Amino acid sequence: EVQLVESGGGLVQPGRSLRLSCTTSGFKFGDYAVSWVRQAPGKGLEWVAFIRSKVYGDIREYAASVKGRFIISRDDSKSTAYLQMNSLKIEDTAVYYCTRDPHPHCSGTSCPHDHWGQGTLVTVSS
Amino acid sequence: DIVMTQSPDSQAVSLGERATINCKSSQSVFFSSNNKNCLAWYQQKPGQPPKLLIYWASIRESGVPDRFSGSGSGTDFTLTINNLQAEDVAVYYCQQYYTTPQFGQGTKVEIK
Repeated sequence: EVQLVESGGGLVQPGRSLRLSCTTSGFKFGDYAVSWVRQAPGKGLEWVAFIRSKVYGDIREYAASVKGRFIISRDDSKSTAYLQMNSLKIEDTAVYYCTRDPHPHCSGTSCPHDHWGQGTLVTVSS
Repeated sequence: DIVMTQSPDSQAVSLGERATINCKSSQSVFFSSNNKNCLAWYQQKPGQPPKLLIYWASIRESGVPDRFSGSGSGTDFTLTINNLQAEDVAVYYCQQYYTTPQFGQGTKVEIK
């Protein structure tokens, strides 16, 4: 069974940092791209970042709203992806989901998300 | 950025009837490398993460009931739910993945 489990969320002050983890099982992690998608309370979905597999060049892309502050990475030996969030802002408050993105379904740029974790809540507040 | 606009924002449909959700992109999401449209549909029920229903605009994800169908090309797309069931109450999102991904604002489907 494919599973993605996010962790590392919590309450953090504006300007501080937080690192989210996405631990996966049930599939060959290294064969897939991974994205982070967030959802502010009562709002819609916002894609945040993705990282392709090493076979596809380990390419990383970011939404304009987080570029320069967030860093996505992966450790295939641990089947885990990470999102390092720096210089956090109040508007970064959201549930953060990690997703599995199958390369055969991807365009030249990005991918749909065929499995999602349950999400971890990040609250940025003073 | 490509802007995705869904209509309507909400829809109340009787059980057994059809729900139709439209999604319009600000530019074409047609991927010439495989002649397919980079458009996905997701279903999100309260308190749950989204679930992929449709990708490449019309291909149903494994396990998705065949009452869900996707159509359209270029900039205009439709998600159709035939024979609406109580368990289909949810918010539905379209997403383009031709460029960096963008979601529509969501359409809430309720029972009339």
